[in-house]
Amino acid sequence: NAGVTQTPKFRVLKTGQSMTLLCAQDMNHEYMYWYRQDPGMGLRLIHYSVGEGTTAKGEVPDGYNVSRLKKQNFLLGLESAAPSQTSVYFCASSLRLAAYNEQFFGPGTRLTVL
Amino acid sequence: DAKTTQPPSMDCAEGRAANLPCNHSTISGNEYVYWYRQIHSQGPQYIIHGLKNNETNEMASLIITEDRKSSTLILPHATLRDTAVYYCIVRPSTGANNLFFGTGTRLTVIP
Repeated sequence: NAGVTQTPKFRVLKTGQSMTLLCAQDMNHEYMYWYRQDPGMGLRLIHYSVGEGTTAKGEVPDGYNVSRLKKQNFLLGLESAAPSQTSVYFCASSLRLAAYNEQFFGPGTRLTVL
Repeated sequence: DAKTTQPPSMDCAEGRAANLPCNHSTISGNEYVYWYRQIHSQGPQYIIHGLKNNETNEMASLIITEDRKSSTLILPHATLRDTAVYYCIVRPSTGANNLFFGTGTRLTVIP
């Protein structure tokens, strides 16, 4: 099993450009998440999904959109990138069991917006 | 919301036990305590979780006080590869599965 994979690993954008980050998991997990981590800080939740076709806002959703068309994939979109979105983005997935929430994380995508 | 308080940094000698404290004085009865760690710039890794009983697995032990207002993560024999940022997180057993990460404790294992 590959676990959670993220594409791309690195990306540099200019202000105003758009891009999509792809997250894929092969563990048949129902829940998937997108976090961002700024230097010296913990992770903050952007959006999450509790199942195919459903998404919900997290702590810092502004400027991002997400889609979960397939159970194994969770896409994070930036329609018009801003320098404030320079960060490391982590995707995670977990089973639906509410009482036991081990989230499995991907290796991260390092995004720089100039 | 930051519901936990952890020291920003700690050192531990290689081979000794590392004891990482966490205060969660406002924890509710249905909230679990989770510990994750993040090595360098990798994605966080789950370590252990508990509700009110002490827990142990192959990675660590979790000691939760009787009033559940604080806990300690114990790495019994720290190695250099345990150098990481350790996050203590509380979350309810029902509802959304979101994890709220604070700034954690940066543990440095010294040779």
